[in-house]
Amino acid sequence: IAGITQAPTSQILAAGRRMTLRCTQDMRHNAMYWYRQDLGLGLRLIHYSNTAGTTGKGEVPDGYSVSRANTDDFPLTLASAVPSQTSVYFCASSETTLNEQFFGPGTRLTVL
Amino acid sequence: DQQVKQNSPSLSVQEGRISILNCDYTNSMFDYFLWYKKYPAEGPTFLISISSIKDKNEDGRFTVFLNKSAKHLSLHIVPSQPGDSAVYFCAARANAGKSTFGDGTTLTVKP
Repeated sequence: IAGITQAPTSQILAAGRRMTLRCTQDMRHNAMYWYRQDLGLGLRLIHYSNTAGTTGKGEVPDGYSVSRANTDDFPLTLASAVPSQTSVYFCASSETTLNEQFFGPGTRLTVL
Repeated sequence: DQQVKQNSPSLSVQEGRISILNCDYTNSMFDYFLWYKKYPAEGPTFLISISSIKDKNEDGRFTVFLNKSAKHLSLHIVPSQPGDSAVYFCAARANAGKSTFGDGTTLTVKP
């Protein structure tokens, strides 16, 4: 089934630990995005990639890094997690930046 | 400074009636607007969009209206169904750039 997957579904992490959230899409979309959604708030863009090999910073990039080695995968890394990074993380993709985005099911991350 | 605002955190309507969800924006460079729907424990899904060259776009029970002079758009759902109960996010984009999302409105449709 074509779509976008994220792993893990949820994670509890100790502060200071390193964590990579995985995101894979099989729609051959050029653009990919990482958002965080805090309780009661909208989606805030962390990082994005308009095409494989390129990445850019979104609205809230501090403490996060991404890579886009190929079309399908767009991992998000927290180098040293802090409690303020507790959130639900959504990965999304779109055919181009002109098209609507398709979202993954999200990863619920708790940093203690 | 929030550029996309959904001032109503929640809305409750009776099944069969019209639901109207509102969205205001401040950035006059926004030229494309989208609505997404989100069920609990799922990612958002695209619902409907409108370009700034139009003032209305319709897709089945869903219609989006854009008032550029007022920097306001609204999503109309008619007739509303219980399955429409979800969080609705308004998003805006400028020059094929990144989308900016509002905080969402939780719609509850009562049977």
